[in-house]
Amino acid sequence: GAVVSQHPSRVICKSGTSVKIECRSLDFQATTMFWYRQFPKKSLMLMATSNEGSKATYEQGVEKDKFLINHASLTLSTLTVTSAHPEDSSFYICSGTPGAGGTDTQYFGPGTRLTVL
Amino acid sequence: GEDVEQSLFLSVREGDSSVINCTYTDSSSTYLYWYKQEPGAGLQLLTYIFSNMDMKQDQRLTVLLNKKDKHLSLRIADTQTGDSAIYFCAESNTNSGYALNFGKGTSLLVTP
Repeated sequence: GAVVSQHPSRVICKSGTSVKIECRSLDFQATTMFWYRQFPKKSLMLMATSNEGSKATYEQGVEKDKFLINHASLTLSTLTVTSAHPEDSSFYICSGTPGAGGTDTQYFGPGTRLTVL
Repeated sequence: GEDVEQSLFLSVREGDSSVINCTYTDSSSTYLYWYKQEPGAGLQLLTYIFSNMDMKQDQRLTVLLNKKDKHLSLRIADTQTGDSAIYFCAESNTNSGYALNFGKGTSLLVTP
């Protein structure tokens, strides 16, 4: 099946710093990429949807100035957590799909564990 | 957003069948999915069902959909210890741009 990678897999940073997480589709072109956040014992929450070359669509309650998403190419999307705070500590997962959705399977990355001290 | 609910924990003996249940509220749900998440790994799509289907079978997996009751189930036949993982129910529809709306996940523990 199609492979999506994320880098880094784990990151620890100090409060106030910014962290960039990369999501790459390795063997397909991801027209659409999704960013999810997973809280302990809670479901994955969609943060934003990004289509290559256009601005990301953020879900209600997600601060677009804090969580910067760039989908610069069909194989790369980045999530930058700016001025990170301890409450931003979470597991961030991206997915890519070759189409706009529907029966197009979303292929998930392995996730990035962010810990903000 | 619309709710997707699952029981949080299920324990079965190896060789038995496992049934994981899910309910959802969005009547416009178009696709319903089951994902598996093993520790430290990403989500793996197990199967999905289109909303106009009642049942889908794929080897040891059987998905049943009761659209009237908005109830989805995943049955795993002959459950193995390697099936121990967290199973997420998810739905998507055109209104959400096919983004997935997940339940909280059911942690399946298979004991020898």
